Amino acid sequence: GESVGLHLPTLSVQEGDNSIINCAYSNSASDYFIWYKQESGKGPQFIIDIRSNMDKRQGQRVTVLLNKTVKHLSLQIAATQPGDSAVYFCAERHYNKLIFGAGTRLAVHP
Amino acid sequence: KAGVTQTPRYLIKTRGQQVTLSCSPISGHRSVSWYQQTPGQGLQFLFEYFSETQRNKGNFPGRFSGRQFSNSRSEMNVSTLELGDSALYLCASSLAFQETQYFGPGTRLLVL
Repeated sequence: GESVGLHLPTLSVQEGDNSIINCAYSNSASDYFIWYKQESGKGPQFIIDIRSNMDKRQGQRVTVLLNKTVKHLSLQIAATQPGDSAVYFCAERHYNKLIFGAGTRLAVHP
Repeated sequence: KAGVTQTPRYLIKTRGQQVTLSCSPISGHRSVSWYQQTPGQGLQFLFEYFSETQRNKGNFPGRFSGRQFSNSRSEMNVSTLELGDSALYLCASSLAFQETQYFGPGTRLLVL
């Protein structure tokens, strides 16, 4: 399928390592944040979300951290696998609209 | 449970034509949102429908329109196509307005 983004920042990791993908969001009033994963030729797939009244949320192999002071969101993936290779987007909900970041490409090497 | 489905998956049109894209949400989901994705602009919000009413709209010209039916299925229409409308059009559904959105595979539109 066509590339999601031709000039996205890329994070390269070794299989089995932990990955940390960062996102700076724009609006202090945003109340809800989501991470999506998009593989080539597919639509974004929901990974994990967090509300603004929390600073950490854990899922299966993934953790999202929210720092409202500096408007920063991160996604941590434990024991990264080749199947984790994709583009990852953060999204913030601001006045009832989802605003997506530009995305980060995660490349997992064996 | 079946995911969000979009038809057609691929479409080629010429400038000046119009196009209608269809989206069937996850069963039980009542809200449908549409997004345009391009390499240059990323994912941009078009509009959101809930209970057959447009609840939210992004910054796109009036050539982009949509509607939602009583069974929650949605269509979006683009009239007088321009080359810049070439993109992946994504539909996402959620249980209710402003809940977590789940995306379909998209319709890839190429305008020649």
